[in-house]
Amino acid sequence: GIQVEQSPPDLILQEGANSTLRCNFSDSVNNLQWFHQNPWGQLINLFYIPSGTKQNGRLSATTVATERYSLLYISSSQTTDSGVYFCAVLYSGGGADGLTFGKGTHLIIQP
Amino acid sequence: ETGVTQSPTHLIKTRGQQVTLRCSSQSGHNTVSWYQQALGQGPQFIFQYYREEENGRGNFPPRFSGLQFPNYSSELNVNALELDDSALYLCASSRSGGGAETQYFGPGTRLLVL
Repeated sequence: GIQVEQSPPDLILQEGANSTLRCNFSDSVNNLQWFHQNPWGQLINLFYIPSGTKQNGRLSATTVATERYSLLYISSSQTTDSGVYFCAVLYSGGGADGLTFGKGTHLIIQP
Repeated sequence: ETGVTQSPTHLIKTRGQQVTLRCSSQSGHNTVSWYQQALGQGPQFIFQYYREEENGRGNFPPRFSGLQFPNYSSELNVNALELDDSALYLCASSRSGGGAETQYFGPGTRLLVL
């Protein structure tokens, strides 16, 4: 099946810093989503971005489908940005229609 | 909030028992997917239901089964519970089957098997 690798696994930053999270995937996809999982387990949708670039406030994301990677940018980090960020993809070649998740990036923003 | 609800929020069972988890999809969505998230891991796909039929399945044994009802709500049933079934169970709804649609997740059900 398709493989998803996220880096870095852990990231500790000071409030106000910028960060870049990376997601590499091993095959072509027709769905790529970024999520933020809060401490209570809720997966919050950040972006649906199988290709191209999107921005939402301090967050932006870029997916280069031909090179099989996606980047999530967080600018001017706040303590509320802390949590685990997941990238999830769906292989475009058919098969089960569930998302394959990476292992996540655990982000800690210190005041 | 996504509009996807799950019940119960927490559940404790003993090994060998059976459990049923419930999910109500977001208004206008006809597809529900279920995921299992073990501690410290990313969610893993269990199966998907589209228009009341199983539409795809991940690498989970047959003791994991499901249903989807005419109002598109769904149940996940797990028989003969094992200790390793302890996890956060998440459901997600989307507008249609096929996968190339945004999936919106519910808050999850935490299952502990003793």
